[in-house]
Amino acid sequence: EAQVTQNPRYLITVTGKKLTVTCSQNMNHEYMSWYRQDPGLGLRQIYYSMNVEVTDKGDVPEGYKVSRKEKRNFPLILESPSPNQTSLYFCASSVRDTYNEQFFGPGTRLTVL
Amino acid sequence: DAKTTQPNSMESNEEEPVHLPCNHSTISGTDYIHWYRQLPSQGPEYVIHGLTSNVNNRMASLAIAEDRKSSTLILHRATLRDAAVYYCIRVTGANNLFFGTGTRLTVIP
Repeated sequence: EAQVTQNPRYLITVTGKKLTVTCSQNMNHEYMSWYRQDPGLGLRQIYYSMNVEVTDKGDVPEGYKVSRKEKRNFPLILESPSPNQTSLYFCASSVRDTYNEQFFGPGTRLTVL
Repeated sequence: DAKTTQPNSMESNEEEPVHLPCNHSTISGTDYIHWYRQLPSQGPEYVIHGLTSNVNNRMASLAIAEDRKSSTLILHRATLRDAAVYYCIRVTGANNLFFGTGTRLTVIP
C-alpha cells in the first residue's frame, strides 16, 4: 500500500531533550515536506526537500533540523525542544513538487513540557 | 501574499450539493489552485486542482472564475464522510504550500 508513515504518533517530552520524528514514504517520491498544525493558524511548512541531499527552509524553520540522506526518509530533528514546539506535525511527499498531489502521513502529536 | 480567503464554516444537508467558495484576488497567471481536505484526526487529503479551466474528478468539481480571482469546490452529493475542513490553496511555486485556516463543512443527516 502506498503510504507515508510517521513515528512516533504521540510523544511527550521535556524541554531541551533532543528528539527525532521519522518520516518514510514508499512511493519513490522526490519531494518531501514537514508541516506543523496549530489551532487558528492552519498548517505551516517547516522544511522541504526537493530530492536527496537537497533541503530548504519553509515558513517556520526555527528550532528544527532535517536531513535527506535517502529518498524514502526525511526525519525531523528538534535539537532542544521548547514548549512553543508543542504541536501536531505532518510529513508529506509528492512525485516532484507542490504542483503535484501531496500525500500526507497520519501526524505526530508532540507535547513539550 | 499567497493567502486565500474562505468562510470559516458551512453546513449542508446530506445528499445535497455543496459549493465551497474561495477568494484569491491577487492570483497571478501561473498560480495553480489546489484543494485539500482534512478529516478529523487525519492528515490532509488531496481533492482537486486546476489552473484556468474547470476540472472534474471522482471526488469533486472545481469551477474557476474567468478572471481567476475566485473558485468554487463543488461536492455533488454531500455524505457524512465529507464532513471535514476544506483548504483552498494558491500554489505559487514548486516548493511550498500555504494552507490557511480553511472551511469547516458540517453535513447534516
